[in-house]
Amino acid sequence: NAGVTQTPKFRVLKTGQSMTLLCAQDMNHEYMYWYRQDPGMGLRLIHYSVGEGTTAKGEVPDGYNVSRLKKQNFLLGLESAAPSQTSVYFCASTQTPGQGGNGELFFGEGSRLTVL
Amino acid sequence: DAKTTQPNSMESNEEEPVHLPCNHSTISGTDYIHWYRQLPSQGPEYVIHGLTSNVNNRMASLAIAEDRKSSTLILHRATLRDAAVYYCILTPRGSGGSNYKLTFGKGTLLTVNP
Repeated sequence: NAGVTQTPKFRVLKTGQSMTLLCAQDMNHEYMYWYRQDPGMGLRLIHYSVGEGTTAKGEVPDGYNVSRLKKQNFLLGLESAAPSQTSVYFCASTQTPGQGGNGELFFGEGSRLTVL
Repeated sequence: DAKTTQPNSMESNEEEPVHLPCNHSTISGTDYIHWYRQLPSQGPEYVIHGLTSNVNNRMASLAIAEDRKSSTLILHRATLRDAAVYYCILTPRGSGGSNYKLTFGKGTLLTVNP
């Protein structure tokens, strides 16, 4: 049982380049999230999904797009990377108490992105 | 979005108990209280959660006020490995397709002195 897996774990981009972060979970969770964490700061929600084919904006969605074509995968895209997007990105998934889970968020190990 | 308020930082000595407070005055009747911690250079990890009653597990205890507007995470004997940022968040009961926007505050940075 791998839990939540993020790829890649590290990436360096030049300003204007695009890339996609992949989050995969094998726990059949309905809900998935993308957060970013800047040095010395808390987690900020970028986008989230409440089920396959659905996405919604979080607190800091600008500059990012997401897709949830398959229940187990949640992709985070940067169309034109900017230095302000240098951060550590965390993916998480959960099954709500109303759906038989306990609402615990399972996190990936993080993806460290540097934009030069 | 239901919000929580925590002190920015706290300090403790090794092997002493630590009480980490969290205020959540806007909690709804079906919101759960979840606690996570983030060790340096790692992702957050689940610590404990509760709804109305106090809870214990191998990592910590959770004391929930009778009016549910505040809670306290209790580490019974702090160790150096407990030095981390601790987050308290409110988690709706949720059901299929419902809004389930889970946001974090800045948490409490716990320093444990040897």
